[in-house]
Amino acid sequence: DAKTTQPPSMDCAEGRAANLPCNHSTISGNEYVYWYRQIHSQGPQYIIHGLKNNETNEMASLIITEDRKSSTLILPHATLRDTAVYYCIVRLTNTGNQFYFGTGTSLTVIP
Amino acid sequence: KAGVTQTPRYLIKTRGQQVTLSCSPISGHRSVSWYQQTPGQGLQFLFEYFSETQRNKGNFPGRFSGRQFSNSRSEMNVSTLELGDSALYLCASSLSTGAGTTEAFFGQGTRLTVV
Repeated sequence: DAKTTQPPSMDCAEGRAANLPCNHSTISGNEYVYWYRQIHSQGPQYIIHGLKNNETNEMASLIITEDRKSSTLILPHATLRDTAVYYCIVRLTNTGNQFYFGTGTSLTVIP
Repeated sequence: KAGVTQTPRYLIKTRGQQVTLSCSPISGHRSVSWYQQTPGQGLQFLFEYFSETQRNKGNFPGRFSGRQFSNSRSEMNVSTLELGDSALYLCASSLSTGAGTTEAFFGQGTRLTVV
């Protein structure tokens, strides 16, 4: 079962930072936060994941609050190709390769 | 490095038939998971195979089954197809070690239409 809450939709102006929030108030100490995105009718694409520290890669930054009950995915300079559904997922990493997706946030980048 | 390959990309079947979908994981990945995506239910986990054994299973009826071969390739089978089985079926592979499983990489999916 999905253990996260995300806003159903968001808009962002092209070139601006997109900040996508996620609440995971029941997260346990050894559960990771993962972010994936899915562009229409394609397979989900891995973006980033973290446990407690903030993480950054070539695609995005992940900011996790100190109490770990929420996180924010930041796309620093959104482009039209970033229009997609973004999924925040909480999971253990020692129980296999299953991911429980919620409904995600549909991000629309506006020119 | 080649990604996850799913075949076929599109499939049309008649109600009552059975279907087999194929997934070739990324080289070196031993874990393969299957997902069903429909507009009404979203992305749902079907099952996971690791080293030719089913390791995890979602909440789907027994008509949905799978297997994994020694080269980690996996097949998913759906018997007695129903109209509600029309969906995008996604496969994901992951490098799973004793330390755990990290990110999963998804294929482009097989679009199954049952008529």
